[in-house]
Amino acid sequence: AQSVTQLDSHVSVSEGTPVLLRCNYSSSYSPSLFWYVQHPNKGLQLLLKYTSAATLVKGINGFEAEFKKSETSFHLTKPSAHMSDAAEYFCVVRANTGFQKLVFGTGTRLLVSP
Amino acid sequence: EAGVTQSPTHLIKTRGQQATLRCSPISGHTSVYWYQQALGLGLQFLLWYDEGEERNRGNFPPRFSGRQFPNYSSELNVNALELEDSALYLCASSSGQGGEKLFFGSGTQLSVL
Repeated sequence: AQSVTQLDSHVSVSEGTPVLLRCNYSSSYSPSLFWYVQHPNKGLQLLLKYTSAATLVKGINGFEAEFKKSETSFHLTKPSAHMSDAAEYFCVVRANTGFQKLVFGTGTRLLVSP
Repeated sequence: EAGVTQSPTHLIKTRGQQATLRCSPISGHTSVYWYQQALGLGLQFLLWYDEGEERNRGNFPPRFSGRQFPNYSSELNVNALELEDSALYLCASSSGQGGEKLFFGSGTQLSVL
């Protein structure tokens, strides 16, 4: 079975400071991992994905995530936050076998202050 | 190119009624997924349709059902509504079976009074 744990329900940063959104996963099989972002009143958008290639994955809007198998983590980072980054972020795991259902974490709300 | 569209945006029902939610996938996409996003919970997988067939369903009671039409649009039906069915229902589409990249609609906010 697959699961993800997002360690923080809310993260607050100041504009221009680094962003770290934490995610730990559990998977019986080699997983694919994703980060999705949900802006208010908008649908979810794929930020980036890891599918067993390079462990450091670069996504859109300056975000990146590093797959660390030894730590079962897939944390999302950005060097410098922008006001437009304020949104809900979801870490997602998918088993690379059988029915490829996406399993979503509970989400982390990123708040960016001026 | 139009994205995934869902209707209605908001839906208010009372306990015991039925709700019908609609989803139009991106043109060319054959797979449609339904997710429930209840307050304080992550997205919970409801149903997956591909090529008109139900391929899998999540851990929800049978009163949650749906279908996919020949044009790949989809309906989600919730019968005998309960208060805890109040949630945002998101539809997503992808280009094929188990497609990695899902494109999500903006959702239907269902409120059960």
